[in-house]
Amino acid sequence: AQSVTQPDIHITVSEGASLELRCNYSYGATPYLFWYVQSPGQGLQLLLKYFSGDTLVQGIKGFEAEFKRSQSSFNLRKPSVHWSDAAEYFCAVALSGGSYIPTFGRGTSLIVHP
Amino acid sequence: NAGVMQNPRHLVRRRGQEARLRCSPMKGHSHVYWYRQLPEEGLKFMVYLQKENIIDESGMPKERFSAEFPKEGPSILRIQQVVRGDSAAYFCASSPQGQGGYTFGSGTRLTVV
Repeated sequence: AQSVTQPDIHITVSEGASLELRCNYSYGATPYLFWYVQSPGQGLQLLLKYFSGDTLVQGIKGFEAEFKRSQSSFNLRKPSVHWSDAAEYFCAVALSGGSYIPTFGRGTSLIVHP
Repeated sequence: NAGVMQNPRHLVRRRGQEARLRCSPMKGHSHVYWYRQLPEEGLKFMVYLQKENIIDESGMPKERFSAEFPKEGPSILRIQQVVRGDSAAYFCASSPQGQGGYTFGSGTRLTVV
């Protein structure tokens, strides 16, 4: 069965510091990969997605993610975090060649200290 | 171009009542996905629909829950005889071809009292 793991439930960083949120998946083939952000009481907003091609993907709000096939990872990064980045971040995976139903990780809560 | 519209945003039901959650996909999107989010948890897939067809309902509870996406009108997630454990945020997403580009609505927060 497909699975998505976000090993960090909470991450705390200082404003201006760099950020990396981890995401690992277990699939046989290269899936479609996504990162979403959710502010409290809100819906999910797509930050970026990877379908194929360049393994370094640029997204909105200064985020980027790198697909590493050898590590089955799709980690999200930002060089300098802003206080407004505090939110819940979800990694999602959809199996290419299948029904493309996204499976979500449990989420990582980002806390930003001033 | 409006995004995915879900209504109501908040819904309060007494135990035993029915809850009807609506989702209007983005214009041009014919694939709809329903997810449930419990407190402190991620999103759990419930059902995947195309117009007039249920494609995958592997995440739907066997009883009390049903979903439809008619030829005309929004997709409906119906929960009959609600119980307190049904309290959650229910999100709908749509995509144009079922191959990614999923856009989420703002969700319906159901509270069962």
